[in-house]
Amino acid sequence: DAGITQSPRYKITETGRQVTLMCHQTWSHSYMFWYRQDLGHGLRLIYYSAAADITDKGEVPDGYVVSRSKTENFPLTLESATRSQTSVYFCASSPRDSAGNTIYFGEGSWLTVV
Amino acid sequence: GENVEQHPSTLSVQEGDSAVIKCTYSDSASNYFPWYKQELGKGPQLIIDIRSNVGEKKDQRIAVTLNKTAKHFSLHITETQPEDSAVYFCAAISSGSARQLTFGSGTQLTVLP
Repeated sequence: DAGITQSPRYKITETGRQVTLMCHQTWSHSYMFWYRQDLGHGLRLIYYSAAADITDKGEVPDGYVVSRSKTENFPLTLESATRSQTSVYFCASSPRDSAGNTIYFGEGSWLTVV
Repeated sequence: GENVEQHPSTLSVQEGDSAVIKCTYSDSASNYFPWYKQELGKGPQLIIDIRSNVGEKKDQRIAVTLNKTAKHFSLHITETQPEDSAVYFCAAISSGSARQLTFGSGTQLTVLP
């Protein structure tokens, strides 16, 4: 039972570079999410997707792009990385929306922008 | 949108003692309140949740209470053990069209042997 896998787990990149964080889930969950975790802010929703080809902005979407061409994949792209995007990024999935349904998180991708 | 405040940010207890973490929320229409536990280097995992039509829910050593009038909910861990040491997050569902979770800022719980 692979669950959710994120790659890369650790990444150092330079300001201005494009970076893509990959997320793959094996449960065929409809919903997928990207959160960022920063000290003092908890988990903040960047983007989410209710199904393939359907994506919506979360609380902090600026500077990020997502796509969902297949149910199982939900990549997150930083088009031009900035130092403020240094964070831990968590991908998650859920069988339905968040209202009463468990969200399953991946193990995180540590991104440092220098 | 929803705003969730969580206190304390750090909490140290002796093994065997109880731990209480409190959260307040702003949106009176919120109706689902989960708690997640995050161990070092891992993603958060759901440990217990409560809906707005219930005042209290227990699962072995863990309980959650909800006061809808005051808009606050709490996590109670009894007979704490070293493996309870982790970061705990509360969350509330937003009532807007997005219906997504808003998380508190987290509590680092340390259980001292």
